[in-house]
Amino acid sequence: SQTIHQWPATLVQPVGSPLSLECTVEGTSNPNLYWYRQAAGRGLQLLFYSVGIGQISSEVPQNLSASRPQDRQFILSSKKLLLSDSGFYLCAWTDQETQYFGPGTRLLVL
Amino acid sequence: GDSVTQMEGPVTLSEEAFLTINCTYTATGYPSLFWYVQYPGEGLQLLLKATKADDKGSNKGFEATYRKETTSFHLEKGSVQVSDSAVYFCALSDGTGGFKTIFGAGTRLFVKA
Repeated sequence: SQTIHQWPATLVQPVGSPLSLECTVEGTSNPNLYWYRQAAGRGLQLLFYSVGIGQISSEVPQNLSASRPQDRQFILSSKKLLLSDSGFYLCAWTDQETQYFGPGTRLLVL
Repeated sequence: GDSVTQMEGPVTLSEEAFLTINCTYTATGYPSLFWYVQYPGEGLQLLLKATKADDKGSNKGFEATYRKETTSFHLEKGSVQVSDSAVYFCALSDGTGGFKTIFGAGTRLFVKA
């Protein structure tokens, strides 16, 4: 069966520091992968999606970037975090229609 | 473009009450429709789905029927439990290109004992 992992689970970072969040999927090949952000008490904001290695589409211009160095690995990065980057970051993959989410990373920028 | 609108929360109910969370959509094609649930501190998980008009999705006592004529996919449960307290997201997927899913804003449900 397929599983999706995210780490770290929780992160507290100072403003201006770099960020790297990792997502890996097991049990499937060539998945479509997604990064979402969920601000406190809010809905989902699609940040990036990828249909293959090295193929990244950005949905919202911001100081975040994404990379897909391997088929089942998706990384979310920032060179300098802002206070507004705080939130709950969710990685997901899809089997063409249904989205399967990871457990999320809670990021607090101070 | 495609969009999903769901009722604003929070919705507060007593245990064993009837639940309805309204969801309507706008789509140019023939989307599949979904309800996802998010329990506190967790990621979203699929609750139920329907892939064509008049289909009924069901799971864990929850039901929703794909109504093309009213472009709706309302979530219902006959008797809620405290453990149903969560945020519920209505969503659609048109299955094209990168298979993007459009999510509603989410409705928070509180169930009191």
